[in-house]
Amino acid sequence: SQKIEQNSEALNIQEGKTATLTCNYTNYSPAYLQWYRQDPGRGPVFLLLIRENEKEKRKERLKVTFDTTLKQSLFHITASQPADSATYLCAPGRYNQGGKLIFGQGTELSVKP
Amino acid sequence: DTAVSQTPKYLVTQMGNDKSIKCEQNLGHDTMYWYKQDSKKFLKIMFSYNNKELIINETVPNRFSPKSPDKAHLNLHINSLELGDSAVYFCASSYGGAGTDTQYFGPGTRLTVL
Repeated sequence: SQKIEQNSEALNIQEGKTATLTCNYTNYSPAYLQWYRQDPGRGPVFLLLIRENEKEKRKERLKVTFDTTLKQSLFHITASQPADSATYLCAPGRYNQGGKLIFGQGTELSVKP
Repeated sequence: DTAVSQTPKYLVTQMGNDKSIKCEQNLGHDTMYWYKQDSKKFLKIMFSYNNKELIINETVPNRFSPKSPDKAHLNLHINSLELGDSAVYFCASSYGGAGTDTQYFGPGTRLTVL
């Protein structure tokens, strides 16, 4: 069955550094990937979408890559800030599935000042 | 204005009871979803509706029944609650039913079954 895996352990980094989060998938060929941020006690918030024909997408300090050969997406936050501390969820999907996204379990990021 | 709202925020109940969670969106979206987030933080799709029509119905016990009175509302009714139903339930909406559409999530309803 399809499996979406993100770093299971929390990621702790120093303010100002680049955080890199991984999302690997098996037995699945997504056509796109969405990334969401979730703060404790709140619902996920959309960050970025990348399609299979796009290698890289950027938005301000955020960058996402999508490697269909490695079956992996990387999510980068440059010049990280304590306010970036949250859980980040990847959610790949395929067309014609009614909007169905399969979420990974998320990676908890903690940025220390 | 809250885009996607859910009530109640917390729900504590006994096994065997029946309960409902309500969801409303004021974004004018056509598609609404219910997700379950368990203690391990996995967020799993349960149902989706597009303009009041059921689109996604994952492998969910038939004790769970969604109802969409209009495209701005999607309620979740749960019969005969079990301990394993304890989780956070999120409602979400999107403009259309395309998977590339951004999904807007509500604040969640934490259900605890005793």
